[in-house]
Amino acid sequence: QKEVEQNSGPLSVPEGAIASLNCTYSDRGSQSFFWYRQYSGKSPELIMSIYSNGDKEDGRFTAQLNKASQYVSLLIRDSQPSDSATYLCAVGDSSYKLIFGSGTRLLVRP
Amino acid sequence: DTGVSQDPRHKITKRGQNVTFRCDPISEHNRLYWYRQTLGQGPEFLTYFQNEAQLEKSRLLSDRFSAERPKGSFSTLEIQRTEQGDSAMYLCASSPASPAYEQYFGPGTRLTVT
Repeated sequence: QKEVEQNSGPLSVPEGAIASLNCTYSDRGSQSFFWYRQYSGKSPELIMSIYSNGDKEDGRFTAQLNKASQYVSLLIRDSQPSDSATYLCAVGDSSYKLIFGSGTRLLVRP
Repeated sequence: DTGVSQDPRHKITKRGQNVTFRCDPISEHNRLYWYRQTLGQGPEFLTYFQNEAQLEKSRLLSDRFSAERPKGSFSTLEIQRTEQGDSAMYLCASSPASPAYEQYFGPGTRLTVT
């Protein structure tokens, strides 16, 4: 069974710090990886996608992928209280559906 | 607003009743997905359509669940003879032909079965 693992947290960081969120996946053949942000009571919002090994930057967000280690991470620079949410890691399988982790709750302290 | 829309946003029903949810995808997206999410968990795949064809159903989807996407536009998800374990957020997402994996979610329908 394909699995995506995340630490449930909460991960607590002070405002302005770098938040580092991690995810591992079990299917070595996976080719597409996503980070979604979900505020309490709301639906997931796509914030980053990454398909190749290395780093991909978009504003304050950087996604990192290491296929050899089956590891994906999301860095949030200059964290703001508005970044407080649950971050879901998702991996695409061969039939286009997404396999989600259970999410990491991030708290950014003012 | 041209995002994914879902209706209703909330549904309370009694055990044993049937319920139907609707999803309208982003207009140019040809793929439509249904997921279910319970508290503290990530979304769990239920089924997906490419245009009007239902291409995959999760083994978790019992015979009480059925989904349609007539004419490849909106989709409906029906749950017959609801059970308390069906209480969850039902999420619809859509994606374009390319990149097909980038799915955009609607606001969800929260179902409570009493």
